[in-house]
Amino acid sequence: NAGVTQTPKFQVLKTGQSMTLQCAQDMNHNSMYWYRQDPGMGLRLIYYSASEGTTDKGEVPNGYNVSRLNKREFSLRLESAAPSQTSVYFCASSETRQGLSNQPQHFGDGTRLSIL
Amino acid sequence: GNSVTQMEGPVTLSEEAFLTINCTYTATGYPSLFWYVQYPGEGLQLLLKATKADDKGSNKGFEATYRKETTSFHLEKGSVQVSDSAVYFCALTKGGSEKLVFGKGMKLTVNP
Repeated sequence: NAGVTQTPKFQVLKTGQSMTLQCAQDMNHNSMYWYRQDPGMGLRLIYYSASEGTTDKGEVPNGYNVSRLNKREFSLRLESAAPSQTSVYFCASSETRQGLSNQPQHFGDGTRLSIL
Repeated sequence: GNSVTQMEGPVTLSEEAFLTINCTYTATGYPSLFWYVQYPGEGLQLLLKATKADDKGSNKGFEATYRKETTSFHLEKGSVQVSDSAVYFCALTKGGSEKLVFGKGMKLTVNP
């Protein structure tokens, strides 16, 4: 049972390059999320998608775009990478529907991204 | 806005020691409260949760009680093991939203 799968696990980019981080979940969850984790900052929400075809900004969306390709997949794109985007990126998913609340989020193992 | 404040550490304990990680929150109304754990090289996993005042969440020997009067959700374990070495995050959701607000995390190392 794979859960949430992120690719790649590691990536090094030069400033100005573009890149797409991939995320897929096999739990049939409606909601998906992208976070970044920085030392001393905890996890901060970049974008989320409450259902297929919808996306919304989180706490730190600048410099990123997302696509909810279908129910399984939610990608994060850096159009022009900057050193400040060096971080560990986590994708998560959760089951959300009418009458169901407080469900846990399930996380992938992360993508460690370095921007030189 | 909603926020979570927790002990940041890092903290080093000996095996079988007692563990407390403090967590307090700021939120209007009645948030749901969570503890997540991140083992080295992995993503976060839900450790326990509580959805209303006085609820106690428990899992793997860890416990936390939702205290509305002190706006706290402190994590405790009576006897830690080396395998408990990880980063622990306190978090909340509020108002029907499934978006989590995290504390900064606390790294725990348990030595044999």
